[in-house]
Amino acid sequence: GEDVEQSLFLSVREGDSSVINCTYTDSSSTYLYWYKQEPGAGLQLLTYIFSNMDMKQDQRLTVLLNKKDKHLSLRIADTQTGDSAIYFCAETFQAGTALIFGKGTTLSVSS
Amino acid sequence: DTEVTQTPKHLVMGMTNKKSLKCEQHMGHRAMYWYKQKAKKPPELMFVYSYEKLSINESVPSRFSPECPNSSLLNLHLHALQPEDSALYLCASSQDWPGQGGNTGELFFGEGSRLTVL
Repeated sequence: GEDVEQSLFLSVREGDSSVINCTYTDSSSTYLYWYKQEPGAGLQLLTYIFSNMDMKQDQRLTVLLNKKDKHLSLRIADTQTGDSAIYFCAETFQAGTALIFGKGTTLSVSS
Repeated sequence: DTEVTQTPKHLVMGMTNKKSLKCEQHMGHRAMYWYKQKAKKPPELMFVYSYEKLSINESVPSRFSPECPNSSLLNLHLHALQPEDSALYLCASSQDWPGQGGNTGELFFGEGSRLTVL
């Protein structure tokens, strides 16, 4: 069955770069996504990448996609305390009609 | 209006109660979703409605009953729940399926309804 893997915790200091990794399973997923969840809140889309791209940059965020290894990463440059949250990668499943989420990486940023 | 609104934000119910969770969006989205999220876990898909018709039921127990009265509203009726059903219930909507008409498949989530079953 589908299973999206992520490392569970990442701790960085303010100003450093953060890299969150994800391994997905569905090679037919048209888009791959990164969502952010702050405590007590719903999920918010951070960025997405189209499956025929290798890289996408959006201000402090850089997404890298390695389709051969089914590996997705999110780099946050100049990490701030406000970036502390849980980050979920997601891919489509059920023939593209819904999203399945990775286990989530808790990012802790210390000042 | 880019919001998905969920009510109530918090709900406490006994195992014999009947209650409902409500979700509303006015973005003209054609797909609406219910996800269940336990603490420290990812959201798990429960139901998908497309064009007001149930298209996916992820083997959810019948004590959860979804309803889509119109294209803007999605309800989740709860009856005879168990304590292990306590969780954050997230509603989401999307314009269409990913790849349909160039749509990215982005899901817009509500803040969730936190349910406690005693």
